[in-house]
Amino acid sequence: ETGVTQSPTHLIKTRGQQVTLRCSSQSGHNTVSWYQQALGQGPQFIFQYYREEENGRGNFPPRFSGLQFPNYSSELNVNALELDDSALYLCASKVAGDGGYTFGSGTRLTVV
Amino acid sequence: KNEVEQSPQNLTAQEGEFITINCSYSVGISALHWLQQHPGGGIVSLFMLSSGKKKHGRLIATINIQEKHSSLHITASHPRDSAVYICAAYSRSNYQLIWGAGTKLIIKP
Repeated sequence: ETGVTQSPTHLIKTRGQQVTLRCSSQSGHNTVSWYQQALGQGPQFIFQYYREEENGRGNFPPRFSGLQFPNYSSELNVNALELDDSALYLCASKVAGDGGYTFGSGTRLTVV
Repeated sequence: KNEVEQSPQNLTAQEGEFITINCSYSVGISALHWLQQHPGGGIVSLFMLSSGKKKHGRLIATINIQEKHSSLHITASHPRDSAVYICAAYSRSNYQLIWGAGTKLIIKP
């Protein structure tokens, strides 16, 4: 499978709820990064996973968590949603050691 | 000073003009990405460069590793090219993407 697929494309949740966003990476891409892009701003690094272990994290609270699976898919989980969590969430994957990422088109999350 | 700087921040041009967007970086990198984002849309990868030049349709991307500089050019610009263009550099030191702030391009008919 080629490319990176994110699901869902759009999502509306209520403050306080929990959400799981999914990313299906290209076969062989053992590194995946997640980013949050608030409206009008650049992407902010949330965390990165390599071979199912988190190996880098940005300035996000613990209610942002992730998983990476052996089939090259991954999840971003956000607990206790806040209004400020409304953003576009992007995943990007690659082979470790290679700087060339493949980007998903994003999931737009709206928290009301 | 940001590690990845883009210029200009905003660019408005007439349809048909030749467009250049610049990206300078101060860290050691192994790859640089150019990405496009339409208003309210997701991110589309245009190019990944580690050296030289790439061309796809009306888009051309170049990188000069010695000068730590990359450019994205659009020939015969069209209103549908209106979008935010972002460069992102893959840092060799922390193995992460460092994002530029983006260039908002508007092409007027």
